[in-house]
Amino acid sequence: RKEVEQDPGPFNVPEGATVAFNCTYSNSASQSFFWYRQDCRKEPKLLMSVYSSGNEDGRFTAQLNRASQYISLLIRDSKLSDSATYLCVVNPNDYKLSFGAGTTVTVRA
Amino acid sequence: DAGVIQSPRHEVTEMGQEVTLRCKPISGHDYLFWYRQTMMRGLELLIYFNNNVPIDDSGMPEDRFSAKMPNASFSTLKIQPSEPRDSAVYFCASSFGPGDNEQFFGPGTRLTVL
Repeated sequence: RKEVEQDPGPFNVPEGATVAFNCTYSNSASQSFFWYRQDCRKEPKLLMSVYSSGNEDGRFTAQLNRASQYISLLIRDSKLSDSATYLCVVNPNDYKLSFGAGTTVTVRA
Repeated sequence: DAGVIQSPRHEVTEMGQEVTLRCKPISGHDYLFWYRQTMMRGLELLIYFNNNVPIDDSGMPEDRFSAKMPNASFSTLKIQPSEPRDSAVYFCASSFGPGDNEQFFGPGTRLTVL
């Protein structure tokens, strides 16, 4: 079983729409959680950390459900510039990050 | 800061040749990570260094792969001999600390082995 599993998508949404997707992780001892964003043919970049109480960063909302071992990301009022692959990332131990395969989002005009 | 620097950005080589990928981490970062990304397997950690010392190389696919970090500002990943299945994008990343610290990725080296 993979450490982090994501729906690959793609999620095709119109501008202004809300899009949400999840990922699940296998190691219940994981302590830190993140969403990274990767544009086509570019490097991954940190989008936001995910806290137990849930957190927002502008149009982006991240939630963590430890009991069910899943993390979600919601994007409100989608922009064309939100088109990217979103990588769910989990820290199962002190040093290593485990990356999901990514969920592709395409926002159309 | 210029960010993590990798070279070359693209490399095309023939099977059996030696390939050397280079990375300059962000100054002051104590951790350096080498990843490989393919469509089939996603982003995989190959090896990481702490203060120039290799800590975990369990992700290195086989003996054909080796990595060094002779000083705090330079690391190499070498493949010898290269094979077509090594074709991938290789990323170097650095961070202040392990685990829950943000990792800053370089632009990657796109390797094609013919």
